[in-house]
Amino acid sequence: NAGVTQTPKFRVLKTGQSMTLLCAQDMNHEYMYWYRQDPGMGLRLIHYSVGEGTTAKGEVPDGYNVSRLKKQNFLLGLESAAPSQTSVYFCASSYDGLGRTYEQYFGPGTRLTVT
Amino acid sequence: GQSLEQPSEVTAVEGAIVQINCTYQTSGFYGLSWYQQHDGGAPTFLSYNALDGLEETGRFSSFLSRSDSYGYLLLQELQMKDSASYFCAVRGTGGFKTIFGAGTRLFVKA
Repeated sequence: NAGVTQTPKFRVLKTGQSMTLLCAQDMNHEYMYWYRQDPGMGLRLIHYSVGEGTTAKGEVPDGYNVSRLKKQNFLLGLESAAPSQTSVYFCASSYDGLGRTYEQYFGPGTRLTVT
Repeated sequence: GQSLEQPSEVTAVEGAIVQINCTYQTSGFYGLSWYQQHDGGAPTFLSYNALDGLEETGRFSSFLSRSDSYGYLLLQELQMKDSASYFCAVRGTGGFKTIFGAGTRLFVKA
């Protein structure tokens, strides 16, 4: 099992450009999450999904959109990037219907710089 | 609002025991988790407490007091590889949203 994978690993954007971050998991997890982590800070929840076709806002949703068209994929979009969105983005997933809902598995992260 | 507080840094020597505290204030509470993150890496799950008391997993233990909105992570027989950041996290209202603390940086010295 690959676990949780994220594409791309690194990206540099200019202000106003758009991009999509892809998260994929092969653990048949129901729940998926997008977080951002800024230097010296914890993880802040951007959006999450509790199942295919569902999404919900987290703590810091402004400037981001998400979609979960397939159970294994969770996409995070930035429509018009701003320097304040420079961060490391982590995707996570949890709950295969049998195990623990609270244990989140994280991807390796995407380091995004907006200039 | 929701908030978690934990110390920003802790330093300990190899072989010692260290305790990292976490106090929280949330609108709903399902449980308290702990995650470890090495520099440049992804967070990895360590432990979870839904009920009051102590949970033990090898060298790591975690404690929760719901009445005090307080928990801690106890690391025993510290090793150099334990140098990392440790985050407490609360599952809040609805059981899906997880709010993370700012993290405690642990430095283990020889």
